[in-house]
Amino acid sequence: ETGVTQTPRHLVMGMTNKKSLKCEQHLGHNAMYWYKQSAKKPLELMFVYSLEERVENNSVPSRFSPECPNSSHLFLHLHTLQPEDSALYLCASSQVLGRGGYTFGSGTRLTVV
Amino acid sequence: EDKVVQSPLSLVVHEGDTVTLNCSYEVTNFRSLLWYKQEKKAPTFLFMLTSSGIEKKSGRLSSILDKKELFSILNITATQTGDSAVYLCAVENDGSGNTGKLIFGQGTTLQVKP
Repeated sequence: ETGVTQTPRHLVMGMTNKKSLKCEQHLGHNAMYWYKQSAKKPLELMFVYSLEERVENNSVPSRFSPECPNSSHLFLHLHTLQPEDSALYLCASSQVLGRGGYTFGSGTRLTVV
Repeated sequence: EDKVVQSPLSLVVHEGDTVTLNCSYEVTNFRSLLWYKQEKKAPTFLFMLTSSGIEKKSGRLSSILDKKELFSILNITATQTGDSAVYLCAVENDGSGNTGKLIFGQGTTLQVKP
């Protein structure tokens, strides 16, 4: 385990469902990130939080809604997704916002049917 | 637009071979370049490079950065089947207000055959 835990590991959902992805870090880091990894594409940054405050939203559709209730937990709420949203969603954390040495979770493999 | 390009995209070698993975970048306000290894899901950190010409080494893996030519290489000597993975290169920029971020390349998929 890396110290960043993501649940669930796998998720299959219909286009009309609502689900949430959870990320938890026990590293005392102040910044947390959501990345999307699609086949044959680079990791795409979706959201950035620093000390529970959203500092970046990279033009992500509103069907993805992040939540950061405290510096250890990060959620990604999903609703009315499309099949092209199927991907590996990775959470990462870092000691300081925007500084290297990110620690990644194992990801949630999402399939939208 | 900031971008990171890795080559080759995939590579198949036999155990014992030496491989060199390439990463070139065009990023404003460069801060550092990082290499990650992704075996199943979680990318794991390998190296962070900030200065040109200084080789970082960890066992059979080594990496070096050229900030003039804007590229980095990752070398793996005496490859083993356990080296099979996707190797990700990412560049960190120094964004305004300290909101720097990682920009990833597409990754190089390495397969080491016995």
